[in-house]
Amino acid sequence: DAKTTQPPPMDCAEGRAANLPCNHSTISGNEYVYWYRQIHSQGPQYIIHGLKNNETNEMASLIITEDRKSSTLILPHATLRDTAVYYCIVRPTGANNLFFGTGTRLTVIP
Amino acid sequence: ETGVTQSPTHLIKTRGQQVTLRCSSQSGHNTVSWYQQALGQGPQFIFQYYREEENGRGNFPPRFSGLQFPNYSSELNVNALELDDSALYLCASSLQGTAQETQYFGPGTRLLVL
Repeated sequence: DAKTTQPPPMDCAEGRAANLPCNHSTISGNEYVYWYRQIHSQGPQYIIHGLKNNETNEMASLIITEDRKSSTLILPHATLRDTAVYYCIVRPTGANNLFFGTGTRLTVIP
Repeated sequence: ETGVTQSPTHLIKTRGQQVTLRCSSQSGHNTVSWYQQALGQGPQFIFQYYREEENGRGNFPPRFSGLQFPNYSSELNVNALELDDSALYLCASSLQGTAQETQYFGPGTRLLVL
């Protein structure tokens, strides 16, 4: 089920942009890229998702490469409250489950 | 709009006992999915309920069972508890039939089996 690869733990300075990469080289045409994050001991929080085009909402931007084999989640101005484990998930349209890998731990440093 | 709620927040049981966890879906949602998250791991899909029936199941034994009620709330039941069942149990609600069916998670129930 592991369709994504994410890097080891990362640090980001408070106020700077946090860029979290994800590789999904075997993604199929009907599969969406989803991002969730989980702050310690809380339930995962939905951030954003996309199919082909770049997406932006009030939390983050999602940049998907033209070949769709990788993507980057961007938190434009990281705050201490953004410290969390970030999960990149590839999900077929209509699939009833999300496969969470190990994610990437992001620590925002003052 | 009311978010996903779960009860209880924490629970301690002993091996062999049975436990029932509850989940109220976000208003407007008709589907509930349950996940188990062991310490240090990502959540693992247990099963999903839609229209009061199981709609997909992960690699979990039959002693994990569930229900969905007409108001779309749901229960997760685990029989014959084992030590390895100690975990954070998460439910997520979504609206079946929409293009992406984004799942929104509750805060979880932490179960400790002694």
